[in-house]
Formats: sequence, structure tokens, C-alpha cells
Amino acid sequence: AQSVTQLDSQVPVFEEAPVELRCNYSSSVSVYLFWYVQYPNQGLQLLLKYLSGSTLVKGINGFEAEFNKSQTSFHLRKPSVHISDTAEYFCAVSDKANDYKLSFGAGTTVTVRA
Amino acid sequence: DAGVIQSPRHEVTEMGQEVTLRCKPISGHDYLFWYRQTMMRGLELLIYFNNNVPIDDSGMPEDRFSAKMPNASFSTLKIQPSEPRDSAVYFCASSTLGPLHFGNGTRLTVT
Repeated sequence: AQSVTQLDSQVPVFEEAPVELRCNYSSSVSVYLFWYVQYPNQGLQLLLKYLSGSTLVKGINGFEAEFNKSQTSFHLRKPSVHISDTAEYFCAVSDKANDYKLSFGAGTTVTVRA
Repeated sequence: DAGVIQSPRHEVTEMGQEVTLRCKPISGHDYLFWYRQTMMRGLELLIYFNNNVPIDDSGMPEDRFSAKMPNASFSTLKIQPSEPRDSAVYFCASSTLGPLHFGNGTRLTVT
């Protein structure tokens, strides 16, 4: 079975500062990893995904994440945040053995202050 | 591409009433998922379909919940009878063995 742990439930950060959101997963097979963002009163939007290949994945809005197989992590980073990055961020994992069903972490709320 | 379309956006109903949530997936996507989001439990997978066939409904809370997908472009999630603890945001998502594309959700309030 697969599971996802997001280590921080709340991350306050000042505008133009860097941010890192931590995600660890557990799975017995090769996995696909995703980060989604949810703005207030909206559905989830895909930020980036790791399927295979380079372990450093770049996504939309300046976000990037690094897949680390030995540490079973997929941390999300942005070097300089904007007020508009205030949202909830979800890490998710899927694998072929589970028919590619996504398992989501509990989410991390990022609040960007001026 | 209009994305995944859910209706209604908001639903307020009284306990005991029947509620039907609707979803139109992205054309060409062969997987459809129903999720429920609450503060206490986060995102929970309720049921998913592949080529209109229910594959796994183990996340459906109880017999009051049912879901159908009569064709590739339409799915419903029904709650009968509804209870206050069913209050949540219900999301529909579709995919074709890749990232999920989510609708904007239906916020259900049962009083």
C-alpha cells in the first residue's frame, strides 16, 4: 500500500522569501509523484509531476521538486514566493499496482505575507 | 478544453433529503474519480470508474452513497438519505493513466 506524509501542516513565509514543502512517501513499487495546488474555493491544479527520468522536476509558477528515491522524498521548492502563492499544497503518489489511484497527503497551507 | 465540469457548485439541503451531484469528465479520459474533502479527513477517494465501469468503491462511506456512470461523458454521485456529517466538498476528477484533472467541486451543506 502507498501513503504520503506531508511534514508541515502550516508554512508562513514572507513575500520574496524561499519556501520548501516537505513530502515523504511509502510504497513497495515504483511510483509516480505529484504536487497539486488548491486555491480557495477551487479544485486542485497540477503543479508538477515525476514519472521517470530526471529527478529534478520543474513545474508551473516557478515551482520545482526533487525526487529522492533513497530518502523516499519529493520536496517542493520555490526560490521566491509571491502573495498569489498563498494556497494549500498537496503531495500525491500513485503506482501501477494500484491502478494509478492517487493517495494524497494531508496538505500544507502556505500563507505568504508582505 | 472546458475541463471537468461539476454541478451544482453549492448545494444546501435538509437532513433526510436526496442529493445528486453531477460530473462531466474531460472528453477522451477513461478514468473518473469521486473524492470528498473535509477538514477532519482531508481528501478521500470514494469511488473510481474505468471505461464507465466501477472499479473500486471501497471508499464509499455506507449504503446511503451510490455512484453511476451511464456513459463516458457523465457521472453522478447520490446520497440518500443525506445526513449533516455528509457536509463536505465533493470533487470529481478524470484522467487517462496520468495526472488527475479536477473539477471545481460541489460544496454540500446538510442541515
